[in-house]
Amino acid sequence: GQNIDQPTEMTATEGAIVQINCTYQTSGFNGLFWYQQHAGEAPTFLSYNVLDGLEEKGRFSSFLSRSKGYSYLLLKELQMKDSASYLCAVRDLYSGAGSYQLTFGKGTKLSVIP
Amino acid sequence: ETGVTQTPRHLVMGMTNKKSLKCEQHLGHNAMYWYKQSAKKPLELMFVYSLEERVENNSVPSRFSPECPNSSHLFLHLHTLQPEDSALYLCASSEDRNTGELFFGEGSRLTVL
Repeated sequence: GQNIDQPTEMTATEGAIVQINCTYQTSGFNGLFWYQQHAGEAPTFLSYNVLDGLEEKGRFSSFLSRSKGYSYLLLKELQMKDSASYLCAVRDLYSGAGSYQLTFGKGTKLSVIP
Repeated sequence: ETGVTQTPRHLVMGMTNKKSLKCEQHLGHNAMYWYKQSAKKPLELMFVYSLEERVENNSVPSRFSPECPNSSHLFLHLHTLQPEDSALYLCASSEDRNTGELFFGEGSRLTVL
């Protein structure tokens, strides 16, 4: 089974940096993904880590520590449009599908304030 | 055209009705998915299709019945649903069944009365 934990809500100021943490417990781990979902819209893919370390993509970076079962998403130079839910998802062996599948956390709702 | 299109966007149905949700992807992907998104709950995987082959999720009630006539189209047939089935149903596609980069549709908001 999987257990993915991330904070429910966070608030940060425009222009600042915010870190959204995600911890997980799973077997057959094969990667960690972050998705962004604006209210009333579809989730969109942000980043992917399969090895330990930091992956940087513009203002967004994602970090993974497999030994600690821990990841974070770092958002720099926050903009109002970054207000959204951020979903942490773990890819692992899914017995029902016989292949690797994604299991999502509940998401962290980030509010960016002026 | 957008990558993954879902219809209808909103659906209200009674517990005895039969309705269907439709999903179409224009990305040339080989795998398609149905997810359920309820308030304060994580996205729940319902069904996976890879190259039109269905992969069962045993925890999904039989009142939900998927159909994948070809690699571009996916349906979710709904029959005798319960009020607790009210949720946002998201369709997604990916290049293959093992990738984690999913492309989601806008979802179908279902309300069961």
